[in-house]
Amino acid sequence: AQTVTQSQPEMSVQEAETVTLSCTYDTSESDYYLFWYKQPPSRQMILVIRQEAYKQQNATENRFSVNFQKAAKSFSLKISDSQLGDAAMYFCAYRSGGSGGSNYKLTFGKGTLLTVNP
Amino acid sequence: DTGVSQDPRHKITKRGQNVTFRCDPISEHNRLYWYRQTLGQGPEFLTYFQNEAQLEKSRLLSDRFSAERPKGSFSTLEIQRTEQGDSAMYLCASSLGPIPHYEQYFGPGTRLTVT
Repeated sequence: AQTVTQSQPEMSVQEAETVTLSCTYDTSESDYYLFWYKQPPSRQMILVIRQEAYKQQNATENRFSVNFQKAAKSFSLKISDSQLGDAAMYFCAYRSGGSGGSNYKLTFGKGTLLTVNP
Repeated sequence: DTGVSQDPRHKITKRGQNVTFRCDPISEHNRLYWYRQTLGQGPEFLTYFQNEAQLEKSRLLSDRFSAERPKGSFSTLEIQRTEQGDSAMYLCASSLGPIPHYEQYFGPGTRLTVT
């Protein structure tokens, strides 16, 4: 079974600074997808960024980028120019990509609570 | 596109009572998922539907839990004889199809408190 580990329960960053959230995962599959989701307080979870395992290029979405190290099974999220609205719980998630695997479900880490200080 | 909606948003019940939650997915989405999120944890998969067919159930879904998706539209999750350990946020998500990269869109969740 796949596992996702987020070793930082809480992180804080000053507004306009850069912060990196860590995630490691364990899998024996070669075809999979990795995601970062953001869950603001009392609001629904939204997708921040997605990475396909077969792509070597790291995904980027505006101020959000990932450092995907497939051999090390590491998938970190970098938030540049942090804004007050970035404050939220961030979850790293794994999804199988194979047709015969568990490609229907997301496996989440425990989350990292990000605080942005003005 | 009104997004995924869930009702009720909060439910407080006494141990032993039955509760039912409803999820309305995005209209064109044929896959619907239920997850459970307890305090300090990430969401855990419970079950999913493709159209009206329930294709997979997690071992977390005990016999007291039942989910339905009549006519492949909205879905209900019922918990019978609730226990304090059932207290959690129940999240519903939907996606356009089986392709793995299709994004799962989450609803706001139903927070259940069992007293």
